[in-house]
Amino acid sequence: DGGITQSPKYLFRKEGQNVTLSCEQNLNHDAMYWYRQDPGQGLRLIYYSQIVNDFQKGDIAEGYSVSREKKESFPLTVTSAQKNPTAFYLCASAGQYSGANVLIFGAGSRLTVL
Amino acid sequence: GQSLEQPSEVTAVEGAIVQINCTYQTSGFYGLSWYQQHDGGAPTFLSYNGLDGLEETGRFSSFLSRSDSYGYLLLQELQMKDSASYFCGSQVTGGFKTIFGAGTRLFVKA
Repeated sequence: DGGITQSPKYLFRKEGQNVTLSCEQNLNHDAMYWYRQDPGQGLRLIYYSQIVNDFQKGDIAEGYSVSREKKESFPLTVTSAQKNPTAFYLCASAGQYSGANVLIFGAGSRLTVL
Repeated sequence: GQSLEQPSEVTAVEGAIVQINCTYQTSGFYGLSWYQQHDGGAPTFLSYNGLDGLEETGRFSSFLSRSDSYGYLLLQELQMKDSASYFCGSQVTGGFKTIFGAGTRLFVKA
């Protein structure tokens, strides 16, 4: 089955530690995205990548880093510089629908910093 | 700046019709999309409007007016399983980037 796989589903870390969230897709999509969701709030764009070896900052990139070495993979590192990292992180890739980019989301990774 | 406004909560009765509005202020606007998210789950795509007018997909319809920077999602024949959060998203940067509103929580009552 084609889709987006995020791991781990739940992650607990101590303050000051870097954390890497995995995102893999087998949909052959060029574009991939990372969003952050806080309780009762919308999705805020962290980083996005339109093609391998290229990525752009979204609206809340500070304290995060990404890489896009392979088409299938777009890992997100939450660094110690991120002041409030506890959140639900969603990875997505984009497919085409009537000329628009339709986001296909993974199941998410819930990060809790203790 | 880029922003989308939608009501925080809407409550409706099973079998009824409900409309969720979305107004946007985004530069480089390309189109408006709608996603549904159940508690603890991932958002799933519902509908997209690239042109003005109404798009219908089963019980769901979506409308866009570019001149008013306004759109809505219409849900008909509401079912209990429609209780979820609904997000409007503005596609910008040639459609590659989607910016979301804060979401509308829909409660469907029996």
